[in-house]
Amino acid sequence: EVQLVESGGGSVQPGGSLRLSCAASGFTFSSYYMYWVRQAPGKGLVWVSHINGDGSNTKYADSVKGRFTISRDNAKNTLYLQMNSLRAEDTAVYYCASSCRDGTCPGWGQGILVTVSS
Amino acid sequence: QAVVTQEPSLTVSPGGTVTLTCGSSTGAVTSGHYPYWFQQKPGQAPRTLIYDTTNKHSWTPARFSGSLLGGKAALTLSGAQPEDEAEYYCSLSYSGTRVFGGGTRLTVL
Repeated sequence: EVQLVESGGGSVQPGGSLRLSCAASGFTFSSYYMYWVRQAPGKGLVWVSHINGDGSNTKYADSVKGRFTISRDNAKNTLYLQMNSLRAEDTAVYYCASSCRDGTCPGWGQGILVTVSS
Repeated sequence: QAVVTQEPSLTVSPGGTVTLTCGSSTGAVTSGHYPYWFQQKPGQAPRTLIYDTTNKHSWTPARFSGSLLGGKAALTLSGAQPEDEAEYYCSLSYSGTRVFGGGTRLTVL
């Protein structure tokens, strides 16, 4: 069974840091681009970052560039998002998601809430 | 940054057909934007319906199809079911980055 399970969320003060993890199982993790997407309460989906299969290429939304770092450990089938200098506007549910290929879309995690507040 | 536009809301009758569109502020949407379509129901994580314009996931119901239509990406639902009531998002690629549209709230009524 394909699973993506996020962890590491929670509440943090402005300026603080958090590291999200996404544990993948049930598919060949290293074959897929992986994404972080966030959704503020009551709002739409926003792309945050993505990384290619071997981790050599990363992209970021302008709103998080220089503050967030995406990475992956293919030996552990895990995706990460290091979030530094957090701001109130980073408050959202964060989802990890896979790309699709050859008729297969491993899918999305259940999401994890990050709250940035003093 | 490019802006991706979607209809804020649409209504379809049960058994009816509806087309949702996804436009780009930079011009016509092409296959090079690698359009994706996602469905999200209240309180649930999104799930991917269509990728790379027309390709379906193995579980994507046959009543959903993707295309390019009039310079936009399109998601057509033929034979709407009550369980298709949801928010639908598209996403386009711009030189390696991705932008989501604001979503279309689809009501089946």
